[in-house]
Amino acid sequence: DVKVTQSSRYLVKRTGEKVFLECVQDMDHENMFWYRQDPGLGLRLIYFSYDVKMKEKGDIPEGYSVSREKKERFSLILESASTNQTSMYLCASSFTGYPYNSPLHFGNGTRLTVT
Amino acid sequence: RKEVEQDPGPFNVPEGATVAFNCTYSNSASQSFFWYRQDCRKEPKLLMSVYSSGNEDGRFTAQLNRASQYISLLIRDSKLSDSATYLCVVAFSGSARQLTFGSGTQLTVLP
Repeated sequence: DVKVTQSSRYLVKRTGEKVFLECVQDMDHENMFWYRQDPGLGLRLIYFSYDVKMKEKGDIPEGYSVSREKKERFSLILESASTNQTSMYLCASSFTGYPYNSPLHFGNGTRLTVT
Repeated sequence: RKEVEQDPGPFNVPEGATVAFNCTYSNSASQSFFWYRQDCRKEPKLLMSVYSSGNEDGRFTAQLNRASQYISLLIRDSKLSDSATYLCVVAFSGSARQLTFGSGTQLTVLP
């Protein structure tokens, strides 16, 4: 069974802090994703990576950066946390299916509160 | 217009009822379709993929209508444990980037 593990379940940070969210998957998936989920807005893609050291911006990359130094690990970085980044952050992974997409496997989420 | 639209509900149905959700998508080039289930304060989990010919998994049936650009999910004999939010996911190409989520339909099964 695919396991996607996020390092923290709940996190409280202050405005202006640098925040690291870590995600590890154990299924050798090529693709990894970071989403945020907010009430009424659904899941929105922040960044995704299709290979080590490769990344692409999603729909809402502003204020975020990512790092993928190893295939199994994908980190989301909030350079200077702001209150509007308070949200549920979900990491996901999938293998590369072509031409049809393979489904995503999600971690259990990190609920980040920025005060 | 949103790329993927779902009726947010809530749908409140009695145990044993049959309930159906629709999801419409705007991009006719869409290729892959999924239904995910998300319990309160939990992560989304894949419920089932949706195939062109339609597919069934126990009490759950998924259908795809490419001409009208919608997918549906039918739940028969609803259980209390079916209470969750159901997310429609549409992929517009073979690229992993091109996955779009609906906002979800909330289902509550009542005793």
